[in-house]
Amino acid sequence: AQSVTQLDSQVPVFEEAPVELRCNYSSSVSVYLFWYVQYPNQGLQLLLKYLSGSTLVKGINGFEAEFNKSQTSFHLRKPSVHISDTAEYFCAVLERYGNKLVFGAGTILRVKS
Amino acid sequence: DTEVTQTPKHLVMGMTNKKSLKCEQHMGHRAMYWYKQKAKKPPELMFVYSYEKLSINESVPSRFSPECPNSSLLNLHLHALQPEDSALYLCASSQEKGLSGNTIYFGEGSWLTVV
Repeated sequence: AQSVTQLDSQVPVFEEAPVELRCNYSSSVSVYLFWYVQYPNQGLQLLLKYLSGSTLVKGINGFEAEFNKSQTSFHLRKPSVHISDTAEYFCAVLERYGNKLVFGAGTILRVKS
Repeated sequence: DTEVTQTPKHLVMGMTNKKSLKCEQHMGHRAMYWYKQKAKKPPELMFVYSYEKLSINESVPSRFSPECPNSSLLNLHLHALQPEDSALYLCASSQEKGLSGNTIYFGEGSWLTVV
């Protein structure tokens, strides 16, 4: 079975600074990888996904992530954050040919002015 | 349009009540899901429907009863719930399950409080 580890439960950062949210996964088969964002008291919104091809994927709101198969990682990055990026971010993994999306514990990004 | 609509947004129910959560999507997706999310925790899978048939039940107590009347609708019937069942219930949908890394799209969720 697949699993996801998000290494940081909270990441405080100042506005306009760069940020990286870390995600590692484990699985015995090929996987697809996703980042979702959850704003306070809201549902989940897809930020970006890696299915195949280029290992650098770009998503909404200026976020991007890089798939590293050898390190089994899928870290999320943004070069310059805004106050409005304050939210909880979930990394998730879906096994190829499976339909059980498994989430990491989440990372709360707090952007300070 | 990648919209999954859930109603109601908020529900307060007593432990002896019977209520239902509803979910609708018009994206032609054939897989639909219920997830449960407790405060400060990630979403956890409860049920998966594929082509209107229940394909996964993650050992969910029988007081939660899912129903998929057609390919666009998914219900979650609630009966004799406990206060610890209070949570955000998220509905989601995707194309044919898993065959091409299909993205799972989530609704805004229904906040359930059991008193």
